[in-house]
Amino acid sequence: KAGVTQTPRYLIKTRGQQVTLSCSPISGHRSVSWYQQTPGQGLQFLFEYFSETQRNKGNFPGRFSGRQFSNSRSEMNVSTLELGDSALYLCASSPDPQGAHGYTFGSGTRLTVV
Amino acid sequence: AQSVTQLGSHVSVSEGALVLLRCNYSSSVPPYLFWYVQYPNQGLQLLLKYTTGATLVKGINGFEAEFKKSETSFHLTKPSAHMSDAAEYFCAVSAPYSGGGADGLTFGKGTHLIIQP
Repeated sequence: KAGVTQTPRYLIKTRGQQVTLSCSPISGHRSVSWYQQTPGQGLQFLFEYFSETQRNKGNFPGRFSGRQFSNSRSEMNVSTLELGDSALYLCASSPDPQGAHGYTFGSGTRLTVV
Repeated sequence: AQSVTQLGSHVSVSEGALVLLRCNYSSSVPPYLFWYVQYPNQGLQLLLKYTTGATLVKGINGFEAEFKKSETSFHLTKPSAHMSDAAEYFCAVSAPYSGGGADGLTFGKGTHLIIQP
């Protein structure tokens, strides 16, 4: 079956702009979570959605937001981009919000802010 | 809150030698534990996980890990390294029963595995 699909794969934005990233989970998975990966901070949890509800949010400013649709697809939005937002953004899906079956990750969206 | 410590940011082994990547965690509730592998410019691939039951878990590509509650460890091993094992490895913990809802995965800093011919 198809894996987790993230679009676009690469993105270049200018400081101050906003960006929307998309994630399509594995069919039947209702939990989607987002992570930011940078060389300095490593992998950090952004937020998790289950059945269109945000269950948890990591320690990120309000410029980072997300949502989940009824088909479980998720988007994350970053407004007023800063140079430090340059990172690989990873989406993960799971059949259950507790992760008992593990999380399957997409290939990520590499965002570069210039 | 939970945390993960991976000992050694870089580990180098010879092809055919034992691979041992160390992971220690802290969690106030029974954790779920995971090992992921990341190849350059790719996402994370699940190697294995421990949730409940048998403490020795086997994963893909010949890897296995043992959950040792008394040592709060979840070290990853592979009897014989292959060149294709060269990658970044991440240990992660989640606290599924922390009451406030899962806080997602907490990752270690990663260990870069180098395989020498």
